[in-house]
Amino acid sequence: QKEVEQDPGPLSVPEGAIVSLNCTYSNSAFQYFMWYRQYSRKGPELLMYTYSSGNKEDGRFTAQVDKSSKYISLFIRDSQPSDSATYLCAMSKSPNYGGSQGNLIFGKGTKLSVKP
Amino acid sequence: KAGVTQTPRYLIKTRGQQVTLSCSPISGHRSVSWYQQTPGQGLQFLFEYFSETQRNKGNFPGRFSGRQFSNSRSEMNVSTLELGDSALYLCASSGPEGGRYEQYFGPGTRLTVT
Repeated sequence: QKEVEQDPGPLSVPEGAIVSLNCTYSNSAFQYFMWYRQYSRKGPELLMYTYSSGNKEDGRFTAQVDKSSKYISLFIRDSQPSDSATYLCAMSKSPNYGGSQGNLIFGKGTKLSVKP
Repeated sequence: KAGVTQTPRYLIKTRGQQVTLSCSPISGHRSVSWYQQTPGQGLQFLFEYFSETQRNKGNFPGRFSGRQFSNSRSEMNVSTLELGDSALYLCASSGPEGGRYEQYFGPGTRLTVT
């Protein structure tokens, strides 16, 4: 079993839809969770960073963490064509990047397409 | 502030050859990490350098190596290329203390091995 599982999609939704992206993980040592967005021919960019279980909101984006179920989600409200990208979840055992504990483990990414 | 730059952007090599990829981090960043991205395996961590020292290493064979210079620029080298090494190689920098996941990725180098 891989440490982080993410449905690769592709996921196609109409503009304005609510999008739900999910990852599950197996290692309870993961405490810090991130979502990255990667546009075609670009490197990933950090969207959200969360630590505790619960919700964190940033504009149209909400990150949700359920440590008891080892399940994280990213919700996108009022989706736009510009949200079309691949979304990668990532997680780590350490709050600080770097060193043996600070390694990020990524999901494979979900490709999202928002149709106008 | 200039972002992370990687050169070259595209590369075609033949099996058995070696290749060197270059990464220039954001000014002031001392941590540089390298990742391999493939459709099958996703984004996999290769290694991280901080102040010219390898601080962390992923689970890749010894054919993959790297180094970091005093100006924080980094290179990675792959020797004896295999077809399976075809991938997008991404470099990411963070810092100045290698801080909290504010990693900034470059656009990547697309390596094709024939």
